[in-house]
Amino acid sequence: EAGVTQFPSHSVIEKGQTVTLRCDPISGHDNLYWYRRVMGKEIKFLLHFVKESKQDESGMPNNRFLAERTGGTYSTLKVQPAELEDSGVYFCASSQDLGYYGYTFGSGTRLTVV
Amino acid sequence: AQSVTQPDIHITVSEGASLELRCNYSYGATPYLFWYVQSPGQGLQLLLKYFSGDTLVQGIKGFEAEFKRSQSSFNLRKPSVHWSDAAEYFCAVGPDFGNEKLTFGTGTRLTIIP
Repeated sequence: EAGVTQFPSHSVIEKGQTVTLRCDPISGHDNLYWYRRVMGKEIKFLLHFVKESKQDESGMPNNRFLAERTGGTYSTLKVQPAELEDSGVYFCASSQDLGYYGYTFGSGTRLTVV
Repeated sequence: AQSVTQPDIHITVSEGASLELRCNYSYGATPYLFWYVQSPGQGLQLLLKYFSGDTLVQGIKGFEAEFKRSQSSFNLRKPSVHWSDAAEYFCAVGPDFGNEKLTFGTGTRLTIIP
């Protein structure tokens, strides 16, 4: 079984540009989560999809961040326009059922805004 | 609000020595507790989890952790570390079912010396 896949693994963009991160969950997993780790700090929850619906987006930092999950399969996280403080590692996770069983993380996308 | 504290930012141990990584949590009810590891270039891998029952939990790669309610702690231990254990370790806490958001600590970076 393929794991959670994230693209790209690294991205370097200039301040003010737009970046789109992609997450492909494990096939059949209805639940998809985004987390972020800003340098040296804790990994923080951003949002949770159940299929294509946003179940909880309480962790989204501001309206420059837009997450979508069309068709309930892969998800994208767009940052527009990017700011310096958006630099960090963005993790995606998925699970089949609600709860913590089978909660699987991807390898993350390292975003650097210069 | 729940929180996790990992007081040690960086720990260095000799190969073959024992290891204990500290984790303290703040949560009103019985928490769900996790340890994850991130090796260089890899995603977050689950080492072990505690939901209920036996307070000593065995995980992968020879790791174990003990839940101590009186101390609000969930320390990770390994009797003899290997060079491949060099990585960053994250403790996390989650509430009851219905909200699958994990709260992470800031992580402990482990360096192994020969």
